[in-house]
Amino acid sequence: IAGITQAPTSQILAAGRRMTLRCTQDMRHNAMYWYRQDLGLGLRLIHYSNTAGTTGKGEVPDGYSVSRANTDDFPLTLASAVPSQTSVYFCASSDGTSGREEQFFGPGTRLTVL
Amino acid sequence: AQSVTQPDIHITVSEGASLELRCNYSYGATPYLFWYVQSPGQGLQLLLKYFSGDTLVQGIKGFEAEFKRSQSSFNLRKPSVHWSDAAEYFCAAGSARQLTFGSGTQLTVLP
Repeated sequence: IAGITQAPTSQILAAGRRMTLRCTQDMRHNAMYWYRQDLGLGLRLIHYSNTAGTTGKGEVPDGYSVSRANTDDFPLTLASAVPSQTSVYFCASSDGTSGREEQFFGPGTRLTVL
Repeated sequence: AQSVTQPDIHITVSEGASLELRCNYSYGATPYLFWYVQSPGQGLQLLLKYFSGDTLVQGIKGFEAEFKRSQSSFNLRKPSVHWSDAAEYFCAAGSARQLTFGSGTQLTVLP
């Protein structure tokens, strides 16, 4: 059982380029999340999806978009990357949306925008 | 606005010593409370969680946390730290749809 996989592991990207970070879970969890982790700021929620076909904005959604075509996949797209989007990105999932559920995290994608 | 504060950016303890990591939250009502641990290069792993009831919560790896409503705190403790506990620790507070993380405390364990 893989849990949550993310790809790529790391990426260096030129500013202005488009980039999609991939996230796949095999736990059949309803809810999925994207966070960015920056030094001294902890994790901040970018976007979330409570179920396939629905998405919502988190704390820092600007410059990012997501889609949830099925239960397993939740890609995060940077339409035109900027240096301030340099960060470590974590995908997570949970079996429910009440807020009580444990969130399971992927290993992260380290993105550098030059 | 909802917030979670971890006042200690970095803590160093000797192996075998006791540990307490501080966490304070600001929420409209008592939120669900969590502690996660992140080892270098890894994702986050849940240590323990509190929803209601007994204010002392036991978690994995010998950790426990105590909820104190009067202090809006949820401090993490371990009586005897092991070298493998060196990691970054995150407190989080949540409700439906929204989990707010603190900025983290980096724990160094000296031999």
